[in-house]
Amino acid sequence: DIQMTQSPSSLSASVGARVTITCRASQNIITYLNWYQQKPGKAPNLLIHAASILQNGVPSRFSGSGSGTDFTLTISSLQTEDFATYYCQQSYSTPLTFGQGTRLEIE
Amino acid sequence: EVQLVESGGGQVQPGGTLRLSCAASGFTFSNYWMYWVRQVPGKGLVWVSHINNDGTSTTYADSVKGRFTISRDNAKNTLYLQMNSLRGEDTAMYYCAREIPDYRGNWFDPWGQGTLVTVSS
Repeated sequence: DIQMTQSPSSLSASVGARVTITCRASQNIITYLNWYQQKPGKAPNLLIHAASILQNGVPSRFSGSGSGTDFTLTISSLQTEDFATYYCQQSYSTPLTFGQGTRLEIE
Repeated sequence: EVQLVESGGGQVQPGGTLRLSCAASGFTFSNYWMYWVRQVPGKGLVWVSHINNDGTSTTYADSVKGRFTISRDNAKNTLYLQMNSLRGEDTAMYYCAREIPDYRGNWFDPWGQGTLVTVSS
């Protein structure tokens, strides 16, 4: 199975800050990498697919980059509604696997 | 509106059974592969099982193989997860999700709101 490792596991930041979350795959997954946002008590919500393609309706302050084994999710200017947990997920091979999550908290 | 709504969760004793359902609406259900993903409270997301669009192919995580059965009824636009021989470690929120296939990869959109399964005596 492909292991997905996110860093950091948790992060505190202020409204307006720029934040970057990293996801590393245990093997080359090209750009078969997706990002989800999950708010407390809610289901995950797709933010970015294929490493860098913003899902319809997702604000442009979110962006994704990377290929191979190293990927990043960047939020350019944090808003109150962005405080949540973020998960990466690889779709290169079955079983589809997720990172352990990055909890983004208000500083 | 594309929507998935799970039901069937609850509290059950170890060794017991439950059947989860996921009702789909707003899209042609029979065109899509469907997944079950679970999440232990406070923990991460873990793939459980998936089924192809016509129900002829299923795949399971090792942790549930032989105990859980995924199925679908395309006439009823409904996905199922039959859960037998339940264990404490099966306690989790269970989400169904639609797989979007693309040459650039696959992703899950949307997800249902989840149904909570608690295995406890």
